[in-house]
Amino acid sequence: DTGVSQNPRHKITKRGQNVTFRCDPISEHNRLYWYRQTLGQGPEFLTYFQNEAQLEKSRLLSDRFSAERPKGSFSTLEIQRTEQGDSAMYLCASRSPGETQYFGPGTRLLVL
Amino acid sequence: DQQVKQNSPSLSVQEGRISILNCDYTNSMFDYFLWYKKYPAEGPTFLISISSIKDKNEDGRFTVFLNKSAKHLSLHIVPSQPGDSAVYFCAATDTNAGKSTFGDGTTLTVKP
Repeated sequence: DTGVSQNPRHKITKRGQNVTFRCDPISEHNRLYWYRQTLGQGPEFLTYFQNEAQLEKSRLLSDRFSAERPKGSFSTLEIQRTEQGDSAMYLCASRSPGETQYFGPGTRLLVL
Repeated sequence: DQQVKQNSPSLSVQEGRISILNCDYTNSMFDYFLWYKKYPAEGPTFLISISSIKDKNEDGRFTVFLNKSAKHLSLHIVPSQPGDSAVYFCAATDTNAGKSTFGDGTTLTVKP
């Protein structure tokens, strides 16, 4: 296992289009987190899963955002009707309870 | 209300000298603290952590100090090397909640 992976690494889309990102966590980690990072700021929590259950969602996660982790392994984050303000780096992280959180390389989204 | 603050956006030190990065938090429920290092276009990389039951944790050139009464932690890098130049994020976790709250980062530049 080489760590947390995210695809795609970069995505350019036009305003109003839908985009979907994928995260593959470290295999033995049952917790998976999504964060968003904009320039000059630290990562901001969006949502997290324990196995397939989505346990918490931030107020940042508007109704245009949806995340799933159907089998408790990989997760997807979908943004519908993208807006220019959605442009950011989307980070995925995973961990086991009591252990350190490890991040993937991120998906950089640019909405034109 | 920013619960984790890194008040210095940037820090410049000479190679071989000590780098001290600071972080303040407000939420007394935080019980686990981490430092991440981030290069451009990459996800944050875990550096070192400390539990609230300790006041110091050391790993090679990196030492994290925690002052719970002051709600303050710091990262010391000794000796600093040019390869340490990166953005450093402080993160605080309430292990019951699981998610981490990040500061906005400090850009460290180590000059040869």
